[in-house]
Amino acid sequence: GDSVTQMEGPVTLSEEAFLTINCTYTATGYPSLFWYVQYPGEGLQLLLKATKADDKGSNKGFEATYRKETTSFHLEKGSVQVSDSAVYFCALSLKTYSGGGADGLTFGKGTHLIIQP
Amino acid sequence: NAGVTQTPKFQVLKTGQSMTLQCAQDMNHNSMYWYRQDPGMGLRLIYYSASEGTTDKGEVPNGYNVSRLNKREFSLRLESAAPSQTSVYFCATDTGTSNTEAFFGQGTRLTVV
Repeated sequence: GDSVTQMEGPVTLSEEAFLTINCTYTATGYPSLFWYVQYPGEGLQLLLKATKADDKGSNKGFEATYRKETTSFHLEKGSVQVSDSAVYFCALSLKTYSGGGADGLTFGKGTHLIIQP
Repeated sequence: NAGVTQTPKFQVLKTGQSMTLQCAQDMNHNSMYWYRQDPGMGLRLIYYSASEGTTDKGEVPNGYNVSRLNKREFSLRLESAAPSQTSVYFCATDTGTSNTEAFFGQGTRLTVV
């Protein structure tokens, strides 16, 4: 079946360090890929997305590139801040443009990121 | 705009009790979802409703029922709660088309003792 694998944490970094969170996927079709972020006590919110090969999603200094050849969507940020401390989820969707196909998102297990001052 | 509203935020049940988790959205979206979040497991889809009047099972539907009351509301019912259903439950909604962003409620933390 479809699945998402991401590095498990916690990942602890110092402020201004470079961040990479690895994400790879397996899918029967051609998925859209997402990174969601969950701050303590809150629901998930979309961080960025990419819908086709070589697309780069970016937001708030975070970036991820859809690599079909390696089935990967790694999350990166050049200089992390304490406020980036959260749980990050990689996810895929196989919904077709018409709205058909598999419904819902398939999530990785989440990576807890802790940024120390 | 409230977005996606879940009630209650916290609940403690005894084994065998029943309860309904409520979800309402004011985004005029077609599709609604219920997920559960467990430590080390990420989020898993319980049930979804692609449009008003339809519901379908997700990855982990056993022990749950759902009702899509209207376009705004999608409820999740536990008929006889079990300790294995201790989890954080999230409702989500999207337009139902490809590449769309899902919007999540703040979650319901349920403990079954």
